[in-house]
Amino acid sequence: SQKIEQNSEALNIQEGKTATLTCNYTNYSPAYLQWYRQDPGRGPVFLLLIRENEKEKRKERLKVTFDTTLKQSLFHITASQPADSATYLCALVNNAGNMLTFGGGTRLMVKP
Amino acid sequence: ETGVTQSPTHLIKTRGQQVTLRCSSQSGHNTVSWYQQALGQGPQFIFQYYREEENGRGNFPPRFSGLQFPNYSSELNVNALELDDSALYLCASSLAGTSGRGLTGELFFGEGSRLTVL
Repeated sequence: SQKIEQNSEALNIQEGKTATLTCNYTNYSPAYLQWYRQDPGRGPVFLLLIRENEKEKRKERLKVTFDTTLKQSLFHITASQPADSATYLCALVNNAGNMLTFGGGTRLMVKP
Repeated sequence: ETGVTQSPTHLIKTRGQQVTLRCSSQSGHNTVSWYQQALGQGPQFIFQYYREEENGRGNFPPRFSGLQFPNYSSELNVNALELDDSALYLCASSLAGTSGRGLTGELFFGEGSRLTVL
């Protein structure tokens, strides 16, 4: 069956360091992958989209990589700030293109 | 602010009751998806509507049903509520691709409706 796995344990890092979050998937051939941020009690907010033919995408302090051979995406936040503390979700589009499937999310805590 | 609004924000129901949740899409978006998010988990796809027709469904029983209206707003109905239905229900709007179907980009989520079933 299709699976998307994110580290369920919280990631604690010091302000100013780079946070790296991992998303692994199996039994999928996604056209593209997305990353969302979710704050407690709020809806997810879109951050970045990367297509299967793209290796890397950047947006300000954010960087996403997509390795379709390893079936893995890495999400980096450089120069992290306490305001970056949130849960980060990765999501894949299914082959029919009508469903976004989310991983369980990883909670990031950035300490001052 | 995504422009997607959901109501009610919170509600409490008892087992066996029925509930209707409502969603107004972002202006110009013709596709609405509904997700269920249990505490500590990622959102789970319930179904998607495009131009008033169901365009995909996740692994949810038939007592979960939906509607999309000509103005692209949407409803999620859940009958015979069970305790496990307690969750945050998220609505997301998007714009279908040029083929008329399918997701081509980001989803714009509302803030959700928190349902508690006692």
